[in-house]
Amino acid sequence: AQSVTQPDIHITVSEGASLELRCNYSYGATPYLFWYVQSPGQGLQLLLKYFSGDTLVQGIKGFEAEFKRSQSSFNLRKPSVHWSDAAEYFCAVVYSGYALNFGKGTSLLVTP
Amino acid sequence: ETGVTQTPRHLVMGMTNKKSLKCEQHLGHNAMYWYKQSAKKPLELMFVYSLEERVENNSVPSRFSPECPNSSHLFLHLHTLQPEDSALYLCASSQETSGSGTGELFFGEGSRLTVL
Repeated sequence: AQSVTQPDIHITVSEGASLELRCNYSYGATPYLFWYVQSPGQGLQLLLKYFSGDTLVQGIKGFEAEFKRSQSSFNLRKPSVHWSDAAEYFCAVVYSGYALNFGKGTSLLVTP
Repeated sequence: ETGVTQTPRHLVMGMTNKKSLKCEQHLGHNAMYWYKQSAKKPLELMFVYSLEERVENNSVPSRFSPECPNSSHLFLHLHTLQPEDSALYLCASSQETSGSGTGELFFGEGSRLTVL
């Protein structure tokens, strides 16, 4: 079954530093991949998605992600992190044409 | 505001109570979902409805009973729950149906359930 793995449970970065959150997927065909963000007490908000085409996708809030088929990865990046980016980040892959299978999430802490 | 509204936001219930969670989407979508989010676990898909028909039930215990009276509303009826059922229950919707979807989901803010 399609699945995603987020190897890092917690990540701490300084404000203004660059960020990369890792995501590896397991899927036989070209996957539909997503990154969602969840702020405390909130639901999940879509940051960006990859279906096909350009492997570098741009999202909201200055985030981008790169699909690398050879590495089965879809890592999320941001060149300069803001304190408001502190949240839980989830990578996900389409499952059964309907719903998403989510990774366990990576909790981002931003220090001054 | 995502266009998906969940009520109540917080619910505390005893193991013998019966309660319901409600979800309403204002996006004109065709599919609706219930996910369970527990601490230190991935989001677990519980149910999927497409055009008001249940198309997926991921081995969820019968103490959880979904209902989808129309494409805009989704309920999760709860009865004789266990303390381990305490979690954040997230509702989502999407445009696609019939397995042709791209999976982009729009989530509500969730209902935080505590079972005593």
